[in-house]
Amino acid sequence: ETGVTQSPTHLIKTRGQQVTLRCSSQSGHNTVSWYQQALGQGPQFIFQYYREEENGRGNFPPRFSGLQFPNYSSELNVNALELDDSALYLCASSPDPNTEAFFGQGTRLTVV
Amino acid sequence: EDQVTQSPEALRLQEGESSSLNCSYTVSGLRGLFWYRQDPGKGPEFLFTLYSAGEEKEKERLKATLTKKESFLHITAPKPEDSATYLCAYSSASKIIFGSGTRLSIRP
Repeated sequence: ETGVTQSPTHLIKTRGQQVTLRCSSQSGHNTVSWYQQALGQGPQFIFQYYREEENGRGNFPPRFSGLQFPNYSSELNVNALELDDSALYLCASSPDPNTEAFFGQGTRLTVV
Repeated sequence: EDQVTQSPEALRLQEGESSSLNCSYTVSGLRGLFWYRQDPGKGPEFLFTLYSAGEEKEKERLKATLTKKESFLHITAPKPEDSATYLCAYSSASKIIFGSGTRLSIRP
């Protein structure tokens, strides 16, 4: 157990809708990162938050946005869902940027 | 362009047959090189962090090494429970890049 929990575990949404995914980090971890993982691929970096500020971003459009809260929880929001957004979404918490990260079990999002 | 390439894509070994997985990278400003293990349907599990060329880390049957251009994950006398996908990732100033992984299968 990593102490990182994600909700929900599975989700089905319709194209064009909006979705919010949630993550609870390990206590004391100031950094949270979000990833998208397609089947058979490595995780793709979406963005990282450090002390509630965005600290880095991958090649994802602005309709992917996030928030980090003082209570070690965070959210990933995706607007205007597209079919290609179907994937496993992972969050990972770490004590600081550039240190080892501990992953949750992921949220499987299916867009139909 | 920053890139991480893992090889081979898949590897099948007999129990007890040692081998190595490769992770080569081109990146500016490497802050850390990480190895993870991922089982089907689960999030990646942290194995090692390496920060500078020449560094080595060991854990049970696994040893990770780092040079200026690549990292190796050596597996000695593997067991069937070592079967998984092994991912490497690097951290730079503003992003974290994962390779596509090596799917390792150990036959009894």
